[in-house]
Amino acid sequence: DIQMTQSPSSLSASVGDRVTITCRASQSIRSYLNWFQQKPGKAPKLLIYAASSLQSGVPSRFSGGGSGTDFTLTISGLQPEDFAAYYCQQTYTIPRTFGQGTKVEIK
Amino acid sequence: QVQLVQSGAEVKKPGASVKVSCKASGYTFTNYAIHWVRQAPGQRLEWMGWINAGNGDTKYSQKFQGRVTIIKDTSASTAYMELRSLGSEDTAVYYCARDKLVPPSSYDHWGQGTLVTVSS
Repeated sequence: DIQMTQSPSSLSASVGDRVTITCRASQSIRSYLNWFQQKPGKAPKLLIYAASSLQSGVPSRFSGGGSGTDFTLTISGLQPEDFAAYYCQQTYTIPRTFGQGTKVEIK
Repeated sequence: QVQLVQSGAEVKKPGASVKVSCKASGYTFTNYAIHWVRQAPGQRLEWMGWINAGNGDTKYSQKFQGRVTIIKDTSASTAYMELRSLGSEDTAVYYCARDKLVPPSSYDHWGQGTLVTVSS
């Protein structure tokens, strides 16, 4: 199975900060990567697909980048509603594995 | 609007089976796939398998092979996930999610989740 490792596992930030989360795959997954946001008790919400494509309706402060094994999710100008957990997922092969998550908390 | 509505919470004893439904509306059911993902308390999301709602093809994570079956009822626009031989480690919230049949994958709509509790 392809292992997905996110860093950091958690971070504290303030409203307005620029935040970057990293996701590393154990082998190349080309650009087959999704990013999700999840709030407590809720289903995940798709933010970015194919590594860098912004899902319809998602604010443009979210952006994704990378290919191969190293990927990033950047939030430019953190908003109060962005405090949540974020997960990456590879869709290159079965099983479609997820990272362990990054919890973004209020400083 | 696209909606995936899942069946309600379940409490099962060890060794039992559970069947969770996922009813789709607001789009052509057979033009997409349905994936199943679970999340144990405090754990990462875990992909279980998927079904092509058009032709019924399925693929499962090897971790669940032999214990999980995903089927569909096209007339009801509903997908089902059955998990057998439950153990306490299967206590989790189970989600269905819609995905395109061709790349790039994008799980753009999710069900609300179904809590399955396994306890004696």
